[in-house]
Amino acid sequence: AQTVTQSQPEMSVQEAETVTLSCTYDTSENNYYLFWYKQPPSRQMILVIRQEAYKQQNATENRFSVNFQKAAKSFSLKISDSQLGDTAMYFCAFMKGRSGGGADGLTFGKGTHLIIQP
Amino acid sequence: GAGVSQSPSNKVTEKGKDVELRCDPISGHTALYWYRQSLGQGLEFLIYFQGNSAPDKSGLPSDRFSAERTGGSVSTLTIQRTQQEDSAVYLCASRGWPTYNEQFFGPGTRLTVL
Repeated sequence: AQTVTQSQPEMSVQEAETVTLSCTYDTSENNYYLFWYKQPPSRQMILVIRQEAYKQQNATENRFSVNFQKAAKSFSLKISDSQLGDTAMYFCAFMKGRSGGGADGLTFGKGTHLIIQP
Repeated sequence: GAGVSQSPSNKVTEKGKDVELRCDPISGHTALYWYRQSLGQGLEFLIYFQGNSAPDKSGLPSDRFSAERTGGSVSTLTIQRTQQEDSAVYLCASRGWPTYNEQFFGPGTRLTVL
C-alpha cells in the first residue's frame, strides 16, 4: 500500500512571494505518477501539475514547478509569484502506473491549506 | 459533456434512509472513480469502474455502500441505512483518452446525515 504525507497543515505567505509545499510518499512501486491538486472553497478539484516517475526532469506549469526526488520519495510544489487566487487546499496524490493507464485510485495526502495574504 | 457532473450538489437525509448519488463522467471516458472526503479521514478512494465492471471495490467502507455503472457512462453510488459517519463530500472522477493518466473531478455531492 502507498502512503502520502503532507507535513504542513497550513501555510500563509504574502502575495508575490514564493512558497514551497512539501510532500513525501512511500511505495514499493517503480512505475507511478504523482500529482498536485488544488481545491478552492468551491470544492472543485483542479489538477495543478503532474509528474511521471520515470521522468527525471521536474515538471513545470507556468508559476508552478515541482522538485521530484525519486530516491528520497519527495515531491514538493513550488509556487512562484503567488496570487490571491492561489488560496486553496493543496493535495499531493499518488497513482500506480499500469499498462493502459492507472487502474487504481489516487492516494491523497491530508492536504495543506495555503493562504495568500494581500 | 464538457466536464464531470454530479447530482445532487447537496443532500440532507435522516439517519437510516437510503441515498443515491449520481455521477456523469466526461463523454468517452472509460474509467470512473468515487472518492469520499471527510474531515476526519481526508480523501479516501472508494471504488473504480473500467467500463461497466468494477475491478476494484476495495475502498467501500461497508456493505451498506454499493455502486453501479450502466452503459459505460453514468454511475450511481448508493448508501443504504445512512449513518451520521457517512456525512462527507462524495467526489467522482473520470479518466480516458487522450490524457489516460489524469483524473478529472466533478464538483462533489455534500451529504449530511442528521
